[in-house]
Amino acid sequence: LAKTTQPISMDSYEGQEVNITCSHNNIATNDYITWYQQFPSQGPRFIIQGYKTKVTNEVASLFIPADRKSSTLSLPRVSLSDTAVYYCLVVTYTDKLIFGTGTRLQVFP
Amino acid sequence: DAGVIQSPRHEVTEMGQEVTLRCKPISGHDYLFWYRQTMMRGLELLIYFNNNVPIDDSGMPEDRFSAKMPNASFSTLKIQPSEPRDSAVYFCASISGRPQGARMNTEAFFGQGTRLTVV
Repeated sequence: LAKTTQPISMDSYEGQEVNITCSHNNIATNDYITWYQQFPSQGPRFIIQGYKTKVTNEVASLFIPADRKSSTLSLPRVSLSDTAVYYCLVVTYTDKLIFGTGTRLQVFP
Repeated sequence: DAGVIQSPRHEVTEMGQEVTLRCKPISGHDYLFWYRQTMMRGLELLIYFNNNVPIDDSGMPEDRFSAKMPNASFSTLKIQPSEPRDSAVYFCASISGRPQGARMNTEAFFGQGTRLTVV
């Protein structure tokens, strides 16, 4: 399983763009990159998934460079409600969803 | 679909008692996972099932833990006997293993969790 490394915590202010970068140097050819969000007292929730280049949905964008050894989750114009833990996963098979320690994002007013 | 449903939401029990956690996955999902989350150890995968069959239970901490999936719509995680160190939030999640076109599906749906306190 490809190991992921991401910052333990980040702070931001409302209205700013937040970029959380995840390193996965030993990602394999068939691996996908997936991000989850977890609010206190709730289970994780899927945000976005990508393989290469850029993926965008209504919540976030995911940037993956050509070598795929890292990825960046971009949250546009964060609000207080975006305060959560964000997990980066490298997934080889659908049944291998292993969560690391995640990045704790704190958004201030 | 109402999503993944877990019960109970909270459980307080005395050390040595048997605890049973329950999960109803999303209809049509062929994978079911049990996770445990604590501040110290984060989110740990305990066991997962594919089409009701346990595939990997290497994350189950001890023989005191057991899990079953008698049918596609129900799973249980049992701890017997329970110990204070088992106190944690236990999550159940389900996912469809069917690819989304050419893409692997990595969108799992989690329940609200069961907060277990063993005193």
